[in-house]
Amino acid sequence: SQKIEQNSEALNIQEGKTATLTCNYTNYSPAYLQWYRQDPGRGPVFLLLIRENEKEKRKERLKVTFDTTLKQSLFHITASQPADSATYLCALVGNAGKSTFGDGTTLTVKP
Amino acid sequence: GAVVSQHPSRVICKSGTSVKIECRSLDFQATTMFWYRQFPKQSLMLMATSNEGSKATYEQGVEKDKFLINHASLTLSTLTVTSAHPEDSSFYICSAVSAGSYNSPLHFGNGTRLTVT
Repeated sequence: SQKIEQNSEALNIQEGKTATLTCNYTNYSPAYLQWYRQDPGRGPVFLLLIRENEKEKRKERLKVTFDTTLKQSLFHITASQPADSATYLCALVGNAGKSTFGDGTTLTVKP
Repeated sequence: GAVVSQHPSRVICKSGTSVKIECRSLDFQATTMFWYRQFPKQSLMLMATSNEGSKATYEQGVEKDKFLINHASLTLSTLTVTSAHPEDSSFYICSAVSAGSYNSPLHFGNGTRLTVT
């Protein structure tokens, strides 16, 4: 069966450092992969999308890589800020927009 | 753009009653909406896929008679939790995909916290 694993339930880093979150998947060949941010008591907010034929995508301080051989995506936040503290979800997208989400990694950036 | 409004944000109901949750796409047409359930510190569990004008497709293990979904227009889908029980207490979230854009990001509502007493 399809399985998505995000590296850890929680990640604590110091302000200014780069946060790296991992998303691994098995038994799946997604057309593309997305990353979302979710704050407590709120719905997820889309951050980045990367397609299977793309290696890397950037948006401001965010960078996503996608290795279909390793079946892994890495999500980086550079120059992290306390405001980046949230839960980050990766999602694999298959047919007709149906997505499967990982359990998320809760990032805490300490000042 | 691409705003999804979900209402109510919180609801408390007594066991045995029914609760309706609305999901509206405010500035785009959504042929497909998805309904999820989320437990604390867990990810989104897809309950059903709702397509405008047709019956919803439920995921395995989700009771369609318990969770009634209606998608009567391109901007509105509703989820009704019938005969609610305390174990139905959870955070319910909807998302929508723009018409003809299955590769687009999902736009989520802000969720509904249901508490059944």
